[in-house]
Amino acid sequence: NAGVMQNPRHLVRRRGQEARLRCSPMKGHSHVYWYRQLPEEGLKFMVYLQKENIIDESGMPKERFSAEFPKEGPSILRIQQVVRGDSAAYFCASSPPNVRGGGETQYFGPGTRLLVL
Amino acid sequence: AQSVTQLDSHVSVSEGTPVLLRCNYSSSYSPSLFWYVQHPNKGLQLLLKYTSAATLVKGINGFEAEFKKSETSFHLTKPSAHMSDAAEYFCVVSASRSGGYNKLIFGAGTRLAVHP
Repeated sequence: NAGVMQNPRHLVRRRGQEARLRCSPMKGHSHVYWYRQLPEEGLKFMVYLQKENIIDESGMPKERFSAEFPKEGPSILRIQQVVRGDSAAYFCASSPPNVRGGGETQYFGPGTRLLVL
Repeated sequence: AQSVTQLDSHVSVSEGTPVLLRCNYSSSYSPSLFWYVQHPNKGLQLLLKYTSAATLVKGINGFEAEFKKSETSFHLTKPSAHMSDAAEYFCVVSASRSGGYNKLIFGAGTRLAVHP
């Protein structure tokens, strides 16, 4: 059973370009979370999605950032017009459907390290 | 609101000696607590989790943590450090949301160094 997959692992962009980060959850998982880790800091929640629905985007910057989890294919985190401050590691996590009324354990991918020049 | 404080940003131990990584949490209701480990340039691996069952939780690689409600602590310990334990460790708190999902809140991390 493959784990959470993210690609690319490393991404270099110039200021003003777009960055697309992809996340394929574990088989059978329908919940996806995105987190951002700035240098020397812990991870910060960005957004939680289920198939075709954004459930909680309270951690997403209001501008330039968007996320989707289509019916088919991976979840995408999209950053438009990147700036140097967007340089960070972006981690995706997935969890199985909620069956006990509480949150399930999240399993993390290896992350995408974005560098904006 | 939930929060977590890792009391030490860096811990250094000698191989074969005990490890103690300290974590205090704040939660307005019964929390779930986790410890994750991150090796350099790698993803996060779950070490152990507490979800209101036994207060002493055993994890992988010989790690364990004890939930102490009176002290709002969830310290991570290991009796004998190994060189391969050198990594960044994150204490994490969550509370199940009304929609049944976890919004994880991470501590700032503790970097563990293990010396021969």
